[in-house]
Amino acid sequence: GAVVSQHPSWVICKSGTSVKIECRSLDFQATTMFWYRQFPKQSLMLMATSNEGSKATYEQGVEKDKFLINHASLTLSTLTVTSAHPEDSSFYICSARTVNNQPQHFGDGTRLSIL
Amino acid sequence: TQLLEQSPQFLSIQEGENLTVYCNSSSVFSSLQWYRQEPGEGPVLLVTVVTGGEVKKLKRLTFQFGDARKDSSLHITAAQPGDTGLYLCAGEQSGGSNYKLTFGKGTLLTVNP
Repeated sequence: GAVVSQHPSWVICKSGTSVKIECRSLDFQATTMFWYRQFPKQSLMLMATSNEGSKATYEQGVEKDKFLINHASLTLSTLTVTSAHPEDSSFYICSARTVNNQPQHFGDGTRLSIL
Repeated sequence: TQLLEQSPQFLSIQEGENLTVYCNSSSVFSSLQWYRQEPGEGPVLLVTVVTGGEVKKLKRLTFQFGDARKDSSLHITAAQPGDTGLYLCAGEQSGGSNYKLTFGKGTLLTVNP
């Protein structure tokens, strides 16, 4: 149980393009979803936390106008990287949890490459 | 400021050797989790420790949570090539509606056959 699906798993696009990444909880309702960014051989850095039906809370240094997060339902959150540039190339990972005291369940990540 | 100091950052050993990964902090965590991540995949939860002094075993992996709930260790006995991966510790801090999981920098383990 507790499967989180992320789509797409890999995307390559031109600079200036906007890219949307989906994160779905397949067999549970996720009251909270998290978006992380990970550079090669480095750890996960939390970008933002989103609760269903409310605005996302962004970590310091993360541009909310560049990384648009929508959590419209209990099973779906989306991250849109607007006007992506090569420096936005990274591995983006989402996670989801149900209620307090439950662990986060992670998706398999999306490799974003901006040319 | 890095709340969780994880060491070593890189570790390359031979099959059959033992190893320990450390995760230290000046902050108290309500729980601490250990994950293993393979290239191109998301982290997979190995264990959650909650109680100070708690020890949990998962086959050849032994996890310990410090008495003060500020540090943790992961010990692998007789490492195998299949243990190769990025090991991440993550501390949970929660209070009211605030919840955050802070990750250490990770330990990239390579077990050579």
